[in-house]
Amino acid sequence: SAVISQKPSRDICQRGTSLTIQCQVDSQVTMMFWYRQQPGQSLTLIATANQGSEATYESGFVIDKFPISRPNLTFSTLTVSNMSPEDSSIYLCSVEGQGDYGYTFGSGTRLTVV
Amino acid sequence: GESVGLHLPTLSVQEGDNSIINCAYSNSASDYFIWYKQESGKGPQFIIDIRSNMDKRQGQRVTVLLNKTVKHLSLQIAATQPGDSAVYFCAENRKTGANNLFFGTGTRLTVIP
Repeated sequence: SAVISQKPSRDICQRGTSLTIQCQVDSQVTMMFWYRQQPGQSLTLIATANQGSEATYESGFVIDKFPISRPNLTFSTLTVSNMSPEDSSIYLCSVEGQGDYGYTFGSGTRLTVV
Repeated sequence: GESVGLHLPTLSVQEGDNSIINCAYSNSASDYFIWYKQESGKGPQFIIDIRSNMDKRQGQRVTVLLNKTVKHLSLQIAATQPGDSAVYFCAENRKTGANNLFFGTGTRLTVIP
């Protein structure tokens, strides 16, 4: 299965600022996915990012708040803009697996907004 | 609305016993299901998956059962070990040919030594 490197692993940010999270995959993948996991809760899909096209956002998530870049087949970034304490969550990137490995996830970015 | 949900938010088992984690789903169009394990501070780790044309699939110490009639999914862990302590999520892919995983709420498994 693909190996995903995600950084930063954690950060503490001031409200009103923005944070960009990077996701690097060790192989070329068509689609990359960004999830949010609020404290003690399950994962919610934010958007799907295809190389060369605009990301597709799920209901409740907008591009102005969570702009995504996908410059090539191995890399993507998610920016959390104009942060508030409600944005404190774990943000995870994911790619579709190969064969019997389902979807692979990065280790996540634990964001705390103060 | 439609959802993937779990019957029990927490489960405690004695080391060496078998564990069963259940999951109910409501979308009959879902064609692919995955169980994930998430340890503290880590991303979800793939455990096992099953497609809708199967009823049962076995891995190493784990078995997934799919009952499409009642839209029920279960994960069985044999001879549970302390290292199995984690939160377990079921996830479903609702769109054939597309990739959109919808996650259940999660069950926290605690293994008692």
